[in-house]
Amino acid sequence: DAGVIQSPRHEVTEMGQEVTLRCKPISGHNSLFWYRQTMMRGLELLIYFNNNVPIDDSGMPEDRFSAKMPNASFSTLKIQPSEPRDSAVYFCASMVRGIYEQYFGPGTRLTVT
Amino acid sequence: DQQVKQNSPSLSVQEGRISILNCDYTNSMFDYFLWYKKYPAEGPTFLISISSIKDKNEDGRFTVFLNKSAKHLSLHIVPSQPGDSAVYFCAASAPGGNEKLTFGTGTRLTIIP
Repeated sequence: DAGVIQSPRHEVTEMGQEVTLRCKPISGHNSLFWYRQTMMRGLELLIYFNNNVPIDDSGMPEDRFSAKMPNASFSTLKIQPSEPRDSAVYFCASMVRGIYEQYFGPGTRLTVT
Repeated sequence: DQQVKQNSPSLSVQEGRISILNCDYTNSMFDYFLWYKKYPAEGPTFLISISSIKDKNEDGRFTVFLNKSAKHLSLHIVPSQPGDSAVYFCAASAPGGNEKLTFGTGTRLTIIP
């Protein structure tokens, strides 16, 4: 089992550029979550999907952030335009709905200069 | 408003002794609690969980205790081993089909050989 796959693992970009983070959940998992980890705020939930449908995006910091899940095996988190304060590690996680244990990917470390 | 709090950012314990990590929560609706372990450059991995109908759950060297009246849970690791050095997050979930996990800010555990 490959686990949750995220790409890229590291991203360095300049302020104002568009950034797209990608996630492939574990096959058979029907809930997908995007988190952001910072030193100050720990792990924050940004958005989650059930069966490819966005359920709660109240954690998305502002309109510069958007997420999609076009099918059960792929999701993207986009930041446009990016700002230095977006620098963080972004995690994707998936789970079988109804079973609380989420499985996390290795994360994408984003640096915006 | 931090609904799940881990007030100790770090903890050092001698190898072979007991490690006790603490977590407090404010939302009385939380009914399921989990502990995750995170190594550097990796995503968090599930460690152990407990439902609010129990006050203790044990898995090998790891035991989680829940005190609902105090809104407090703790993770005991005994005996502590060098491989236990990691950041530990507690997380909580509310009922009603809500898959959201609210995470604490983490405690960095260092096991001293």
